[in-house]
Parts: sequence; C-alpha cells; structure tokens
Amino acid sequence: AQSVTQPDIHITVSEGASLELRCNYSYGATPYLFWYVQSPGQGLQLLLKYFSGDTLVQGIKGFEAEFKRSQSSFNLRKPSVHWSDAAEYFCAVDPLNYGGSQGNLIFGKGTKLSVKP
Amino acid sequence: EAGVTQSPTHLIKTRGQQATLRCSPISGHTSVYWYQQALGLGLQFLLWYDEGEERNRGNFPPRFSGRQFPNYSSELNVNALELEDSALYLCASSLGGRQGVWTDTQYFGPGTRLTVL
Repeated sequence: AQSVTQPDIHITVSEGASLELRCNYSYGATPYLFWYVQSPGQGLQLLLKYFSGDTLVQGIKGFEAEFKRSQSSFNLRKPSVHWSDAAEYFCAVDPLNYGGSQGNLIFGKGTKLSVKP
Repeated sequence: EAGVTQSPTHLIKTRGQQATLRCSPISGHTSVYWYQQALGLGLQFLLWYDEGEERNRGNFPPRFSGRQFPNYSSELNVNALELEDSALYLCASSLGGRQGVWTDTQYFGPGTRLTVL
C-alpha cells in the first residue's frame, strides 16, 4: 500500500545542535515530495519541496532535504536548531497516480520537535 | 500578498447538525483542497476543486461535500455531524488548470477547528 513513514514521533534536541528528521515513502514511481511545519493550533507552512533535478533541496528557515531514490527517503536537516523551530514537522507526498497529480497529498504522521535551551 | 484564509476559526456544533466551513484561496490560485486533521488519524485528504469542478475526493462519506464558487473560494459542508467529525479542517490552494498547471505546491490556511458535542 502507498504510505509515508516518519519513524520518529518525538525528537528533542538542544538549541544549536544539528537536526535530521526522517521520511520514507513507498510508491512505485518517484512522487513529488514536501516538508511542512505546523505550530500548535496553526495551519501548515511549506518548508521545501522536491519535484525533480538536484536531489539536495534548500528551503526556508535554514532547512534542507535530500532525496535518495535508492532508499525512498526524503530526510529533512538543519545544521543548527533554534528554539523557534519547536513545532511538528510533516513529510508529504504527491503520489502522481495515473501519471499526474490527483490533488491528494499523503502525509506522514508527523514528528514533534522539542528544543532544549 | 494575503495567504489562504479560512472562516470561522472555531465552530461548535451538536451531533446531527450541519457545519459550513469557508475558504478563500491565494489570489491567482484556482485549485482548492480540503483536508481533515483529526486526533490520532493524522492529515487526510477530503476534496479537490478546480474551476468549479470536483476533481478528486478522498475516502469520506457523502455527507462531506463542498463546492467552489466563480471567485474560486470554496465551502465545505458536513451534514449529520458525528462526534468523530471533531477535527481541524485545513484548506489549501494552488495554481490550477486555468494556469495550465495540474501539479503544484499546495499552500495551507490556518484551519477551522470544528468541535461536535
């Protein structure tokens, strides 16, 4: 079955430390890939996206993600975390069924990030 | 540039009633999407509208319906409310068919929190 897996439900890092959030997907073809962030009680903000081309994607707020086809992964990274990064992070996939988008993003369950001072 | 807006922010209904949620897309966007974010179930795709037409529908019962108006704003209606309909309902918009784009980034609004008592 098509799915998006974020294996870490909750991660705690110290301010200034590096961060990597994992995302794996299971689809036949390469889908379109996204990372969104959600602060408590808020909507989703797009951090970055991958459609094609360079597999290392730069996003807002100093985040980057790397698409690895062989591992079906799209992990999110940040070299130095700030207290304001505490939020929930969602990996999403547009599976491109039937060769095109059907509008239905498939989301992982999310990873909640806590930042220690 | 104004983002996606949703109203109301909060909505409290009782079981069996109907709820109407509204969404205004980013200016220039013609596609509107609806998602449900329920506790324990994660983010699930509900509906996709483009150019006034329903383009795709998620795995939800028919009492979830909606429409898109000529100005591209959208309405989500939930009939015969059940307790498990309590959730954050997120609307997103993107460029769509009018712009010749059928696969594009979805930008999300702040959501409407629906509580069913």
